[in-house]
Amino acid sequence: GENVEQHPSTLSVQEGDSAVIKCTYSDSASNYFPWYKQELGKGPQLIIDIRSNVGEKKDQRIAVTLNKTAKHFSLHITETQPEDSAVYFCAASRGQNFVFGPGTRLSVLP
Amino acid sequence: DSGVTQTPKHLITATGQRVTLRCSPRSGDLSVYWYQQSLDQGLQFLIQYYNGEERAKGNILERFSAQQFPDLHSELNLSSLELGDSALYFCASSARSGKSTDTQYFGPGTRLTVL
Repeated sequence: GENVEQHPSTLSVQEGDSAVIKCTYSDSASNYFPWYKQELGKGPQLIIDIRSNVGEKKDQRIAVTLNKTAKHFSLHITETQPEDSAVYFCAASRGQNFVFGPGTRLSVLP
Repeated sequence: DSGVTQTPKHLITATGQRVTLRCSPRSGDLSVYWYQQSLDQGLQFLIQYYNGEERAKGNILERFSAQQFPDLHSELNLSSLELGDSALYFCASSARSGKSTDTQYFGPGTRLTVL
């Protein structure tokens, strides 16, 4: 079955700097890759997603890149703000069953 | 606010007991998914229902069961509870099922504590 690895497990950046989180997946048939942000005491919230027919997608300060050949995808957050502090999860899917990575705890230091 | 609602928010019970968690999907969504989130296991897919029928099973224990009702709300039943069942349980919903990947929207979760 699908296996998703995510790195780093924790990440601390200064406010205004960029943050990058990387995920690798094992199933080459996976074709949908969402990213979720989870704040303390809340459910995961979709922040951006990408499908396998696209190499990059941007939404304001957030971007995701996908390398299908290498089977990895990355989340890029620019101009980080304290409210970006949360746990971020990547996932991979080839149908409706998401397999999540273990998560990255991002801390943005003021 | 994702539009997915879950009740209760917190649940404290004893080992051996049975509990029911409830989820209402976003308006118009036909699929409901249940996930378990524990500290050492991350987000684990349990089961999916589509329009009242079971569509996919993940790492769901035999002590756990779920169903989706005609009004599309879903319930997750956990029985013979063990200490290790303590976790956050999330429900997610999406519009379609199976044929293509659809975005899943998560509810706020139910925190289950088994003492």
